[in-house]
Amino acid sequence: GEDVEQSLFLSVREGDSSVINCTYTDSSSTYLYWYKQEPGAGLQLLTYIFSNMDMKQDQRLTVLLNKKDKHLSLRIADTQTGDSAIYFCAEERTGGFKTIFGAGTRLFVKA
Amino acid sequence: ETGVTQTPRHLVMGMTNKKSLKCEQHLGHNAMYWYKQSAKKPLELMFVYSLEERVENNSVPSRFSPECPNSSHLFLHLHTLQPEDSALYLCASSQGGKGGLSYNEQFFGPGTRLTVL
Repeated sequence: GEDVEQSLFLSVREGDSSVINCTYTDSSSTYLYWYKQEPGAGLQLLTYIFSNMDMKQDQRLTVLLNKKDKHLSLRIADTQTGDSAIYFCAEERTGGFKTIFGAGTRLFVKA
Repeated sequence: ETGVTQTPRHLVMGMTNKKSLKCEQHLGHNAMYWYKQSAKKPLELMFVYSLEERVENNSVPSRFSPECPNSSHLFLHLHTLQPEDSALYLCASSQGGKGGLSYNEQFFGPGTRLTVL
């Protein structure tokens, strides 16, 4: 299909790891992104991975990319209440100005 | 503060009203976007302007009319909207010029929450 797909909700306990999954659609997409949206705000780029990489680590964040299955995941280690937000997966298709977003996964962090 | 501002933050309008949403970016970017965010649906790209020329128009109803007078300002003119148009409307900007760039980080404003009665 045309849509970037991700589950709508995830609930974890503070201190646990969170894993947010996404499937994208175009195997030729160059960049895959994770954006974060906090309440009352717009989206903000959290991290990204280039399509020739399998993994990228940035402090508490780990991005895994499986190009064969067109699967992207975001792992947040030691999840904090401040991580509660909506996380959007997005793919950058070739041709310019073609960033396709998912519906967002709302992460709830329980204290 | 992302460098992208939107006004108003909230708007309630009747189906016969005409209103406009405004977006301004202070980042020196060349591309600006309008998105529609509805609950449980993918973020929907409506319009893209690059160097003040419209480069994308994703089958948006004509009751939404964009305007980009310069690279820092973007408007969305609204008229005779329907209740299903109620949503959060997000503006974004990015560095991309003509043809776009492969890496295209977008900077979003906080959105205008639109309610159509």
